[in-house]
Amino acid sequence: GNSVTQMEGPVTLSEEAFLTINCTYTATGYPSLFWYVQYPGEGLQLLLKATKADDKGSNKGFEATYRKETTSFHLEKGSVQVSDSAVYFCALKAGSARQLTFGSGTQLTVLP
Amino acid sequence: NAGVTQTPKFQVLKTGQSMTLQCAQDMNHNSMYWYRQDPGMGLRLIYYSASEGTTDKGEVPNGYNVSRLNKREFSLRLESAAPSQTSVYFCASSQDYRTMSGANVLTFGAGSRLTVL
Repeated sequence: GNSVTQMEGPVTLSEEAFLTINCTYTATGYPSLFWYVQYPGEGLQLLLKATKADDKGSNKGFEATYRKETTSFHLEKGSVQVSDSAVYFCALKAGSARQLTFGSGTQLTVLP
Repeated sequence: NAGVTQTPKFQVLKTGQSMTLQCAQDMNHNSMYWYRQDPGMGLRLIYYSASEGTTDKGEVPNGYNVSRLNKREFSLRLESAAPSQTSVYFCASSQDYRTMSGANVLTFGAGSRLTVL
């Protein structure tokens, strides 16, 4: 079946530090890949996506590259801010599947 | 610009009580979903409705029922609540599950926190 594995949190960084949150997946065919972000007390919001191998999704300074050879979609940001504190979810949609499969989420806290 | 609206935001139940979580979207989306979010387990799909008039089980459907009342509304019912159903519930919608990989992705509500004592 389809599955998503994220690095376990929580992750605590100082402001302006470099961020990497690892995500690897197992899926049939060539899935579309997503990162969602959940700010405190809110629902999930789409952060970025990539629909085919070697695509790079980017938004708000975050980036992730779809790596088919390593089945990965790691999230990166060069300089995090306190406002980036949130839970980050990696997700995939495989082929004809009718729903997304989510990872377990990674809590990020950025300290001033 | 409401998007996906869930009610109630918070609810406390006793074991064995019943309740219905309501969800409505104003984006003319065809597909709607109910997820539960538990610590360390991410989001797990309970039920979904690919289009008006259809509903299907997701990963964790036991103990729940759903109704796609019309294109806008998709409710989740707990007939006899159990402590294991303490969770945060999210409703979501998408234009069409078949095109979710493109511009049409999931839009989530703000969540409903349910505690079963």
